[in-house]
Amino acid sequence: DVKVTQSSRYLVKRTGEKVFLECVQDMDHENMFWYRQDPGLGLRLIYFSYDVKMKEKGDIPEGYSVSREKKERFSLILESASTNQTSMYLCASSSGDAGRPQHFGDGTRLSIL
Amino acid sequence: KQEVTQIPAALSVPEGENLVLNCSFTDSAIYNLQWFRQDPGKGLTSLLLIQSSQREQTSGRLNASLDKSSGRSTLYIAASQPGDSATYLCAVRKVNMRFGAGTRLTVKP
Repeated sequence: DVKVTQSSRYLVKRTGEKVFLECVQDMDHENMFWYRQDPGLGLRLIYFSYDVKMKEKGDIPEGYSVSREKKERFSLILESASTNQTSMYLCASSSGDAGRPQHFGDGTRLSIL
Repeated sequence: KQEVTQIPAALSVPEGENLVLNCSFTDSAIYNLQWFRQDPGKGLTSLLLIQSSQREQTSGRLNASLDKSSGRSTLYIAASQPGDSATYLCAVRKVNMRFGAGTRLTVKP
């Protein structure tokens, strides 16, 4: 089975801090994704990557950046955390074929105080 | 822009009932449609994936259908059980995935 592991289930940070959310997958997938999930808004794509050192903006990239130095790891960075970034963050991966399913981690519930 | 709608937003049924969850989308030019289950506070578990060329997929008590031309998919759950209680999300993929807001299902013993 595909395993997508997010480093933290719960995280509490303060406004203005630089925050790193880490995601690792063990299936040699080319594609990795970061979403946030908010009540009433559903899942929204922040950034995605189709290859090492490659990144593309999703629907809501403002206030975020990403890093993909190794194929198995995709990091989401909040450069200066703000309270409106309090949310559930979900990482996903899929193999290179556009028709393949996405597999999700358990999520990180991030609170910015 | 692709819009994905799931109706109803919430559903409560007694154990043993067969039920149908609905998903509609506005742009029929999709690669595939995926149904997920999400338990409270958890990530998404993939249930079924239907390619654009397919009409349905089955896994155990679950059957998902796709009518691309009308922009609709249904998830049929047979003989529902309390363990089926969760939020069910559909997502369509063209370039990126677009998700519906989900249907929260409660199956009462």
